[in-house]
Amino acid sequence: DAEITQSPRHKITETGRQVTLACHQTWNHNNMFWYRQDLGHGLRLIHYSYGVHDTNKGEVSDGYSVSRSNTEDLPLTLESAASSQTSVYFCASSESTSSYNSPLHFGNGTRLTVT
Amino acid sequence: EDQVTQSPEALRLQEGESSSLNCSYTVSGLRGLFWYRQDPGKGPEFLFTLYSAGEEKEKERLKATLTKKESFLHITAPKPEDSATYLCAVQADRDDKIIFGKGTRLHILP
Repeated sequence: DAEITQSPRHKITETGRQVTLACHQTWNHNNMFWYRQDLGHGLRLIHYSYGVHDTNKGEVSDGYSVSRSNTEDLPLTLESAASSQTSVYFCASSESTSSYNSPLHFGNGTRLTVT
Repeated sequence: EDQVTQSPEALRLQEGESSSLNCSYTVSGLRGLFWYRQDPGKGPEFLFTLYSAGEEKEKERLKATLTKKESFLHITAPKPEDSATYLCAVQADRDDKIIFGKGTRLHILP
């Protein structure tokens, strides 16, 4: 069965360190998204990609970057981790705009703690 | 600006006690409205897509309905295993971004 795999599931890092969260999907979807989920805010969009070499900023992109070198992977990098970036991070994918039935398929998240 | 507001924030029901969750939205051109279920420690799981006012979708004890300004998720005779957070999201017709509400935490007491 197709799936989205996120790694690691849990990560503790120190303020100022660079951190990369991995996301790998086997749906063969063109669209991939990164969200963060915090109490009181719900799911907020960080970055997204509509295909290889395409990346776009979401509503909370400051301090984060992504790159898309193939269809399957969209790693999320925190350039210099801050305590405000402690959160649960979800990766998701969907079919391209040619399909009206394009719900998101999610991974099980990475819980990141910045100390 | 696209916006999704869900109410109530939390809801406790007795097993068998039917109720509804609300999702109000503002979006410039709705492509689709989605309902997801999220269990603790897991990613959201897709339930329904609704495309136009008047549309209804059903799955077991859940029924989703859509008007021009809001959607309802009706839960009929719920069971404890229906306890979860239910998320509503909208997709505008100008791109593929999906915007989420903050969710409703549903707890069904046995």
